[in-house]
Amino acid sequence: TQLLEQSPQFLSIQEGENLTVYCNSSSVFSSLQWYRQEPGEGPVLLVTVVTGGEVKKLKRLTFQFGDARKDSSLHITAAQPGDTGLYLCAGVALGNYQLIWGAGTKLIIKP
Amino acid sequence: NAGVTQTPKFRVLKTGQSMTLLCAQDMNHEYMYWYRQDPGMGLRLIHYSVGEGTTAKGEVPDGYNVSRLKKQNFLLGLESAAPSQTSVYFCASSYPPEGYTFGSGTRLTVV
Repeated sequence: TQLLEQSPQFLSIQEGENLTVYCNSSSVFSSLQWYRQEPGEGPVLLVTVVTGGEVKKLKRLTFQFGDARKDSSLHITAAQPGDTGLYLCAGVALGNYQLIWGAGTKLIIKP
Repeated sequence: NAGVTQTPKFRVLKTGQSMTLLCAQDMNHEYMYWYRQDPGMGLRLIHYSVGEGTTAKGEVPDGYNVSRLKKQNFLLGLESAAPSQTSVYFCASSYPPEGYTFGSGTRLTVV
């Protein structure tokens, strides 16, 4: 069974601080996706990383795929209250298009 | 562009009642999915479909049935609701290997 462990589960920080969320697995994925979910809404795709070592930036958010394609990180610089939400990572299994989901990181940015 | 539309948004059922959750997508996606989301459990796949007329079981299919009679619609049925089926249900669609597009969810309470 493929598992994707996400950490931390919960993070509450002040506006302006930096933070990193991690997604780790013992399995290799063909790609990895990051989503953000706001209360009362469905998850929204932020980015897909495909190549080992790949780094993608989305304004103050930096996403990295591990060299071995088993792990990923999301780094937020100078967090803003608008970054508050549930961040989910999902790995695309090799050989099919099934998504393996992390349990999520609930992020609260206090003004 | 509507994306993925779920109806209803909220529903309260009595134990033993039946209901159907409706999902419609206008992106011509082949793949569609039904998930449930519970606190601390993350997203769990109930059933999915890889094309019109096809369905397959996911991680937690017991107590649910699905149908995909038209490409744009994916229906989730509960024949005899149980309190354990109290959850938030999300429908999603995708065109692999691209990311998923989610609906805004149906909050179901079974009393």
